[in-house]
Amino acid sequence: SQQGEEDPQALSIQEGENATMNCSYKTSINNLQWYRQNSGRGLVHLILIRSNEREKHSGRLRVTLDTSKKSSSLLITASRAADTASYFCATDQAGTALIFGKGTTLSVSS
Amino acid sequence: GAVVSQHPSWVICKSGTSVKIECRSLDFQATTMFWYRQFPKQSLMLMATSNEGSKATYEQGVEKDKFLINHASLTLSTLTVTSAHPEDSSFYICSARRLEAFYEQYFGPGTRLTVT
Repeated sequence: SQQGEEDPQALSIQEGENATMNCSYKTSINNLQWYRQNSGRGLVHLILIRSNEREKHSGRLRVTLDTSKKSSSLLITASRAADTASYFCATDQAGTALIFGKGTTLSVSS
Repeated sequence: GAVVSQHPSWVICKSGTSVKIECRSLDFQATTMFWYRQFPKQSLMLMATSNEGSKATYEQGVEKDKFLINHASLTLSTLTVTSAHPEDSSFYICSARRLEAFYEQYFGPGTRLTVT
């Protein structure tokens, strides 16, 4: 089963630009997490935002959560070529498995 | 801390054979482990949830007789793909929840299965 839908499916930008990815989900959640995955590799946990939080920062990452709209966004500022990867949101409904969205493929060219 | 390993990292097998994938929590005890499957250019799809000492719970559409899951201890879960076919070729990823921190979930590095 899949909970979330990411938007856009693919994003191509130049180094130095900001990248914004959106995620929508369907049911109530305990928290929402963002992961990065380089091609053919495992997942890297980026950030977790709890349902009672509206915004969270970590380095060049900024995540927002709007539980009334059941949506979240991930902003990567000053993108680098090394940020090229697939990005997934995953929702946690309190103790069950994380359910992943379809992902956004980000390509950052130098 | 909170490291999850998978073995093997990649495996090639012939059609009709069975393959076992191990998922271990190296430095913590896991109440629950999860198995996901990821096809190329797609997202992770949850296959099953396993709790130590009890039968796994499979997601709709996942054949429990084909994907055998055993969770014999608080640090080890295994996924056996029985009578593998080329369409079973995929990236299999496990994750584990810590006994002490119920909402934290840690992912293994994944196992690439290719069935020829």
